[in-house]
Amino acid sequence: NAGVTQTPKFRVLKTGQSMTLLCAQDMNHEYMYWYRQDPGMGLRLIHYSVGEGTTAKGEVPDGYNVSRLKKQNFLLGLESAAPSQTSVYFCASSYSPWGESTDTQYFGPGTRLTVL
Amino acid sequence: GQNIDQPTEMTATEGAIVQINCTYQTSGFNGLFWYQQHAGEAPTFLSYNVLDGLEEKGRFSSFLSRSKGYSYLLLKELQMKDSASYLCAVRDHRGSTLGRLYFGRGTQLTVWP
Repeated sequence: NAGVTQTPKFRVLKTGQSMTLLCAQDMNHEYMYWYRQDPGMGLRLIHYSVGEGTTAKGEVPDGYNVSRLKKQNFLLGLESAAPSQTSVYFCASSYSPWGESTDTQYFGPGTRLTVL
Repeated sequence: GQNIDQPTEMTATEGAIVQINCTYQTSGFNGLFWYQQHAGEAPTFLSYNVLDGLEEKGRFSSFLSRSKGYSYLLLKELQMKDSASYLCAVRDHRGSTLGRLYFGRGTQLTVWP
């Protein structure tokens, strides 16, 4: 049981390049989330998904796209990277936003992205 | 969004007790979480409160007062390994938000020997 995994762990891009971050979970969770974490800003939600084939915008969606073609995978795409997208990206999953009273989000190890 | 406030930094000595406060404003409160995040690592779940009162888990306790929009995380018998960032997160259950978590900016705790 690997939990939540993210690929890659580190990446350096040049401005204008594109890339896709992959998140995978093996806990059969319905809900998946992409956050970015910047110094002094806390975790901010980019996009999330409430199930296979569905996605929704979070607080800071501009410049990102997502897809949830399979329940266990949630992809985050940067079409044209900008230096402002330099950040640590965390994927998370949960069984449901309600579920058991202590149902929490489980986080992946993060992807450190630098855009030059 | 939500307004979640917690101190930026705190320091304490090994063996001591520290209390990290969190205040929040939300119209659809459905629970408050505390996460621990070591440098360079992912946040990990520590505690959850949805009703008023104290929840105790070993050396860690978390308190909630919904009427005051206030929570604290209490860490006892501090150890060096407790040096980390502690994140307060509020779950909101208003219609379109579907139980999303809103995170505070985190409190960086440094434990000195």
